[in-house]
Amino acid sequence: AQTVTQSQPEMSVQEAETVTLSCTYDTSENNYYLFWYKQPPSRQMILVIRQEAYKQQNATENRFSVNFQKAAKSFSLKISDSQLGDTAMYFCAFGGEYGNKLVFGAGTILRVKS
Amino acid sequence: EAGVAQSPRYKIIEKRQSVAFWCNPISGHATLYWYQQILGQGPKLLIQFQNNGVVDDSQLPKDRFSAERLKGVDSTLKIQPAKLEDSAVYLCASSPLLNIQYFGAGTRLSVL
Repeated sequence: AQTVTQSQPEMSVQEAETVTLSCTYDTSENNYYLFWYKQPPSRQMILVIRQEAYKQQNATENRFSVNFQKAAKSFSLKISDSQLGDTAMYFCAFGGEYGNKLVFGAGTILRVKS
Repeated sequence: EAGVAQSPRYKIIEKRQSVAFWCNPISGHATLYWYQQILGQGPKLLIQFQNNGVVDDSQLPKDRFSAERLKGVDSTLKIQPAKLEDSAVYLCASSPLLNIQYFGAGTRLSVL
């Protein structure tokens, strides 16, 4: 069974600075998807970024980028130019071959301070 | 485009009572998921539907939980009877393809 580990329960960052959230996973599959989801306080979860394991190039979405290291089974999220609206719980998720059966980590609470 | 709708937003019941949650996915999304998110944890998949058929319910406690998606559109998740450990947020998600799931706001259940 797949497992996802987020070793940082909480992180803080100053507005406009850069922060990196860590995620490691365990799987025996070769083709799979990885995701970062954001869950603001009392609001619904939204997709931040997605990575397909067969793609060597790291995914980027505006201020969000990932460092995907397949051999190390590591999938970290970098947020550049942090904004107050980035304050949320961030979940790393493993999606399997078709990206559908999500297995989530325990989450990292990110607080952006002004 | 309307998002995934869930109701109610909050529910408080006593243990051994029954409760039902409703989800209306994004129009045209064939796949629907129910997750349980216990406080301080990531969501855990309970059941996955493809149209009106069950694809995966391996983590659904079938002695007390049931779910249906009769017409392949909206879905209901039921707990009967509820236990204290069922206190959680129940999330519904839908997807047009097999990846990229869109989540609803969830139903927060408190069992007293």
